Amino acid sequence: AQTVTQSQPEMSVQEAETVTLSCTYDTSESNYYLFWYKQPPSRQMILVIRQEAYKQQNATENRFSVNFQKAAKSFSLKISDSQLGDTAMYFCAFMKQHGGATNKLIFGTGTLLAVQP
Amino acid sequence: DGGITQSPKYLFRKEGQNVTLSCEQNLNHDAMYWYRQDPGQGLRLIYYSQIVNDFQKGDIAEGYSVSREKKESFPLTVTSAQKNPTAFYLCASGPRVGYTFGSGTRLTVV
Repeated sequence: AQTVTQSQPEMSVQEAETVTLSCTYDTSESNYYLFWYKQPPSRQMILVIRQEAYKQQNATENRFSVNFQKAAKSFSLKISDSQLGDTAMYFCAFMKQHGGATNKLIFGTGTLLAVQP
Repeated sequence: DGGITQSPKYLFRKEGQNVTLSCEQNLNHDAMYWYRQDPGQGLRLIYYSQIVNDFQKGDIAEGYSVSREKKESFPLTVTSAQKNPTAFYLCASGPRVGYTFGSGTRLTVV
């Protein structure tokens, strides 16, 4: 069974600074997807970034980038130039690539990020 | 605009009562999912459906039931058998990769 671990329950960063959120996962699959979702106080889940395991290049979306280390099963999220609107719970998630009828997202327990003015 | 609509936003249940949470999508997605969110536990999968008239149990299906009579709709019933139903419930739909989530329903037992 796949598991996703986020070892930082809470983090804080000053506005305009950079912060890195950690995520590790355990799987015997070779092909899969990894995701970071953001859940602001409104509780709407928003997809931040996605990484395909077969791609060596790290995904980037504006101020958000990942450090994907497949051998170490590590998938960290870096937020550059942090903004007050980045304050949210961040979830790391895993999905098998060839799940067939079971394309389920498996979530970590989340990291609550507070951006301080 | 396409999206997922969950209703109601807040729901209160008395002991021993069944309640139904609504989830409707107009994204033409085949797959739909129900997750439960509790503090410190992330999101846990309750039920999912890949096609109409078919659904599968997730990791915490006990005390819940679902139906999938239409592609657009995937209602979740929280039965009296669910002993600790107070939680935030999220519905999602998706193509093969990439979910869209609804805005959630907060269920409280009174």
